[in-house]
Amino acid sequence: AQTVTQSQPEMSVQEAETVTLSCTYDTSENNYYLFWYKQPPSRQMILVIRQEAYKQQNATENRFSVNFQKAAKSFSLKISDSQLGDTAMYFCAWAGTYKYIFGTGTRLKVLA
Amino acid sequence: KAGVTQTPRYLIKTRGQQVTLSCSPISGHRSVSWYQQTPGQGLQFLFEYFSETQRNKGNFPGRFSGRQFSNSRSEMNVSTLELGDSALYLCASSRLAENTGELFFGEGSRLTVL
Repeated sequence: AQTVTQSQPEMSVQEAETVTLSCTYDTSENNYYLFWYKQPPSRQMILVIRQEAYKQQNATENRFSVNFQKAAKSFSLKISDSQLGDTAMYFCAWAGTYKYIFGTGTRLKVLA
Repeated sequence: KAGVTQTPRYLIKTRGQQVTLSCSPISGHRSVSWYQQTPGQGLQFLFEYFSETQRNKGNFPGRFSGRQFSNSRSEMNVSTLELGDSALYLCASSRLAENTGELFFGEGSRLTVL
């Protein structure tokens, strides 16, 4: 069975600084995708970044980038130049055959 | 383009009752999946539908069921409610038939079981 582990329940970062959220997963499938989703307080979940497992190049979306280590089954999210609007729950997710597995989330607070 | 719509947004039930939640996906999206969100547990996958067929389901008891209609709208039902069923139930739709694309989430239905 697939599992996704986020070992940091809560984190905080000063505005304009960089923070890294960790995620590890376990799967026996070869074809899968990895995602980071953001859930702002009382707002809808939205996609932050997506990584195809067959691609070695790390995905980047503006201030958000990932460090994808396939052999280690690690998929961390780096947020650069943190902004107050980045305050949210962040969920790491694995997608395989018609199924998504989410981690338990990391609550990130950006401090002014 | 309208987003994913879930109804009702909030509801309170008592133990033993049943509940039906509805989800209308984004127009053109044929894949709908459901999740249970509780503090500390994150999102737990319930089931996924595509073109009225359940393609996968999570590890939930048979009290949790769902279906999808020909217009892609989906419902989930929980029978014989238990206190532990209190949660935010999220529905998400996806444009792609494969699990490769972005999920678009609704605002959720918050269920409280007393």
